[in-house]
Amino acid sequence: LAKTTQPISMDSYEGQEVNITCSHNNIATNDYITWYQQFPSQGPRFIIQGYKTKVTNEVASLFIPADRKSSTLSLPRVSLSDTAVYYCLVGAPGSYKLIFGSGTRLLVRP
Amino acid sequence: DVKVTQSSRYLVKRTGEKVFLECVQDMDHENMFWYRQDPGLGLRLIYFSYDVKMKEKGDIPEGYSVSREKKERFSLILESASTNQTSMYLCASSNRDLTGELFFGEGSRLTVL
Repeated sequence: LAKTTQPISMDSYEGQEVNITCSHNNIATNDYITWYQQFPSQGPRFIIQGYKTKVTNEVASLFIPADRKSSTLSLPRVSLSDTAVYYCLVGAPGSYKLIFGSGTRLLVRP
Repeated sequence: DVKVTQSSRYLVKRTGEKVFLECVQDMDHENMFWYRQDPGLGLRLIYFSYDVKMKEKGDIPEGYSVSREKKERFSLILESASTNQTSMYLCASSNRDLTGELFFGEGSRLTVL
């Protein structure tokens, strides 16, 4: 299973774009990259998933370079409610043993 | 909307007690999981189940057992609770589709005194 490395914490201000980068040097051919968001006292929630290039949904964008050894979660115009922990996971879809790691704690300030 | 319901949000138990944590999902998902979450350690997989009566050990199964008698229900059992099992326990379910998206419950915070 590919291990991921992401910053422990990030600070931002309301209205800014936030980019959280995840490193996954040992990603396998079948692996997808998935991001989850977790608020305090709640379980994680799926945000976005991608395999290569760029994926966008109503919440975020995911940028994946050609070598797929890293990925960047982009949150446009963050608000206070985006304060949460963000986890980057790498694995084959449906894999039973996805590794969550410690995640990135994002703090959005007024 | 998928709903994963954990029976207790907060529990306090004594060392040596038997503890049952119940999880029910309402979307007919094949896969169910139990994780524990501790500060600085992220989520760690305890057990998972891919079908009724089927179970597989995760990364930290010691001190735990599970039961899946019905598709919608997955129980985590601590036969003899210890203080190092004080933690947040998270149940999740997923379908066998392309994304493998995990749907989590709100968690059960267990304190063992």
